[in-house]
Amino acid sequence: IAGITQAPTSQILAAGRRMTLRCTQDMRHNAMYWYRQDLGLGLRLIHYSNTAGTTGKGEVPDGYSVSRANTDDFPLTLASAVPSQTSVYFCASSDRLGTQYFGPGTRLLVL
Amino acid sequence: GQNIDQPTEMTATEGAIVQINCTYQTSGFNGLFWYQQHAGEAPTFLSYNVLDGLEEKGRFSSFLSRSKGYSYLLLKELQMKDSASYLCAVRDVGGGNKLTFGTGTQLKVEL
Repeated sequence: IAGITQAPTSQILAAGRRMTLRCTQDMRHNAMYWYRQDLGLGLRLIHYSNTAGTTGKGEVPDGYSVSRANTDDFPLTLASAVPSQTSVYFCASSDRLGTQYFGPGTRLLVL
Repeated sequence: GQNIDQPTEMTATEGAIVQINCTYQTSGFNGLFWYQQHAGEAPTFLSYNVLDGLEEKGRFSSFLSRSKGYSYLLLKELQMKDSASYLCAVRDVGGGNKLTFGTGTQLKVEL
């Protein structure tokens, strides 16, 4: 693999179900990020990790959790999905200069 | 915190020049990024400014004035493939490499 991959590409989920969005990068970047993108609201940061073993809350963290067990993987978990979590989710990582590189996104519909 | 403003939409003609403005208010400033995002795709990095002045990269240039809290992205010799959303993002001094994004400017290039 090259760059950042995300899985699944898209998902339809029943409200109340648990869901984990996967993100893997092979660029050995220390910092990784999860965003959601909604029409008219732009990209909003959910959670971030500056290095393996550490995580932090972004602008809209409620209802989401993350873990960073190693450098490459940064999964995002919705413990109990709600319709307002319908969105496009992007994972990103940043190089030493701070430039962020984005994965292809996961389109999530919560019904 | 950060507050970032960009026009919502712009229309320009193929072959022309277009300038997309971005103004920001921030408690601390540590760089400004421009990203391009085609419909249904991930954002891709275009340019980075941390010092005042113009950065040129092919048909795209980006300008920054830190004292005015102002940046613009200049696209020359517009092509149809330049139709996309252009996102302005600011990094603050205390947040590692976290970015705050504007809501984006949707550019439509017409014949």
